[in-house]
Amino acid sequence: AQSVTQLDSQVPVFEEAPVELRCNYSSSVSVYLFWYVQYPNQGLQLLLKYLSGSTLVESINGFEAEFNKSQTSFHLRKPSVHISDTAEYFCAVTPSGFQKLVFGTGTRLLVSP
Amino acid sequence: ETGVTQSPTHLIKTRGQQVTLRCSSQSGHNTVSWYQQALGQGPQFIFQYYREEENGRGNFPPRFSGLQFPNYSSELNVNALELDDSALYLCASSLEGMNTEAFFGQGTRLTVV
Repeated sequence: AQSVTQLDSQVPVFEEAPVELRCNYSSSVSVYLFWYVQYPNQGLQLLLKYLSGSTLVESINGFEAEFNKSQTSFHLRKPSVHISDTAEYFCAVTPSGFQKLVFGTGTRLLVSP
Repeated sequence: ETGVTQSPTHLIKTRGQQVTLRCSSQSGHNTVSWYQQALGQGPQFIFQYYREEENGRGNFPPRFSGLQFPNYSSELNVNALELDDSALYLCASSLEGMNTEAFFGQGTRLTVV
């Protein structure tokens, strides 16, 4: 079975500062990895994903995540955050080609001026 | 191309009642997955429907049931509602039973009183 650990329930940061949201996973098989973002009272939006190939993946709004197989991690980073990045971020894993996403408990990113 | 739409957006039910939630999948997607997101938690997989057949189920009791129709829209039915069923119910659609690109709806907020 797969599991996801997001150690930080909340990360406060000032605008324009860098941020890292941590995600570790557990799986005995190869997996796909995802980061989703959830704004208040909304559903989930896919931020970025790792399926195969380059271990560094990027989103269109400046976030990036690096798949590290040896450390079973998929941390999310952004060099300079904006107020609008304030949201809940969920890391998720699925066995390659299988049907269910297993989510972590989420990290609330709070960006203040 | 239309996105994933869910109805209703909010719902209040009494313990013991039954409820039906609806989801229209994204155009071209033949797979629908349902997730339950309790307050402050990550989404939990309920089940998935692929081409009108159940294609995997999470750790939820049989009073959680579903349907998928020929147009790939879907329903989630919950019988004998309990207070702990209060949550945001999310529907996600994808192609060919895989989660490489799952798109989520805005969710239905169910409150059981």
